[in-house]
Amino acid sequence: ETGVTQTPRHLVMGMTNKKSLKCEQHLGHNAMYWYKQSAKKPLELMFVYSLEERVENNSVPSRFSPECPNSSHLFLHLHTLQPEDSALYLCASSQDLRLGYQYFGPGTRLTVL
Amino acid sequence: GENVEQHPSTLSVQEGDSAVIKCTYSDSASNYFPWYKQELGKGPQLIIDIRSNVGEKKDQRIAVTLNKTAKHFSLHITETQPEDSAVYFCAASKDTDKLIFGTGTRLQVFP
Repeated sequence: ETGVTQTPRHLVMGMTNKKSLKCEQHLGHNAMYWYKQSAKKPLELMFVYSLEERVENNSVPSRFSPECPNSSHLFLHLHTLQPEDSALYLCASSQDLRLGYQYFGPGTRLTVL
Repeated sequence: GENVEQHPSTLSVQEGDSAVIKCTYSDSASNYFPWYKQELGKGPQLIIDIRSNVGEKKDQRIAVTLNKTAKHFSLHITETQPEDSAVYFCAASKDTDKLIFGTGTRLQVFP
């Protein structure tokens, strides 16, 4: 596989469930990102990792927990979400943090019931 | 912090016509301006970008112009085709700071 892949592509979960989103990049990049995309809103940056270290957390509620075990993989662990968390969650990567354009994955469409 | 406004939110054009999408930004220190295209069921894909040291950049039917004084930049698509139909996002950033995205423009090209 090439580029940035995300699994699952679709996820429906209840408010008491625990689930994880997975992102994998096959580009040899050093930086990875999680974004939230809601209808009629700008893309919201959630977390930034550089060389497996979290460098940014944009006031994201603790029910979202990221994990970056190596430079190719990024996870988003979900716990006790709310219906308003339903959105498309996009993963992206870039060569590094310095002005590299970002490659996006196809996203995970999350519905919280 | 940076704020990016994008207009229009929807745009319908006839095949072969041109389409223009405009964005304004608030932080005069911003120096990198990419444009992304998002097709249904896919993530955004970079289509063109421009840095603040140039005023215009072209790639076949796509061009981007930047006016640093007015703090706005625009995407121009000429000879539009049905496959250009998608949502387009502009973004702005400075140095190593994060990308700030506009709210998107849904472009529909009618045959």
